[in-house]
Amino acid sequence: NAGVMQNPRHLVRRRGQEARLRCSPMKGHSHVYWYRQLPEEGLKFMVYLQKENIIDESGMPKERFSAEFPKEGPSILRIQQVVRGDSAAYFCASSPSVRVETQYFGPGTRLLVL
Amino acid sequence: DAKTTQPNSMESNEEEPVHLPCNHSTISGTDYIHWYLQLPSQGPEYVIHGLTSNVNNRMASLAIAEDRKSSTLILHRATLRDAAVYYCILASYGGSQGNLIFGKGTKLSVKP
Repeated sequence: NAGVMQNPRHLVRRRGQEARLRCSPMKGHSHVYWYRQLPEEGLKFMVYLQKENIIDESGMPKERFSAEFPKEGPSILRIQQVVRGDSAAYFCASSPSVRVETQYFGPGTRLLVL
Repeated sequence: DAKTTQPNSMESNEEEPVHLPCNHSTISGTDYIHWYLQLPSQGPEYVIHGLTSNVNNRMASLAIAEDRKSSTLILHRATLRDAAVYYCILASYGGSQGNLIFGKGTKLSVKP
């Protein structure tokens, strides 16, 4: 059973460009969570999605950031018009049910904005 | 903000037991205590979780105080591969909130 997959693992963007981060949850998992980690910091929650629904986006910046989890395909975290402060590691996690059980994390995407 | 307090760092010698403490004085009745570890440049990995009773699994043991205001993650014999940041997290089952609240964790160093 493959784990949570994220791609790309590393992404370099210039200021003003768009970044698209992809997350494929574990098989059978319909709940996806996105977290951001700045250097030397703990992970910060961004958004929680189920298939085709955003359940909790309380950690998402109000502008430039969006997330989706379509019926088919991976979950996408999209950052428009990136700025240097967006440079961070972005982790996706998945779980099998609505309850906060064990979350399984992917290896992360490291975004560098030049 | 994290609802738990952990030491910033700890050191251990290889093959010795390690006790990683966590304070969570504002824990509610529905909060489970979860521990995750994060190796350098990797995503967090689940270690163990519990509610009231002590828990054991193949990775570690979790000792929970009787008043539930603190807990201790126990690694029985530290290895070099256990060097990681360990996060103690409170999470409730149910509801619409699914996020884990990570603090800065405890960075464990293991000396050979």
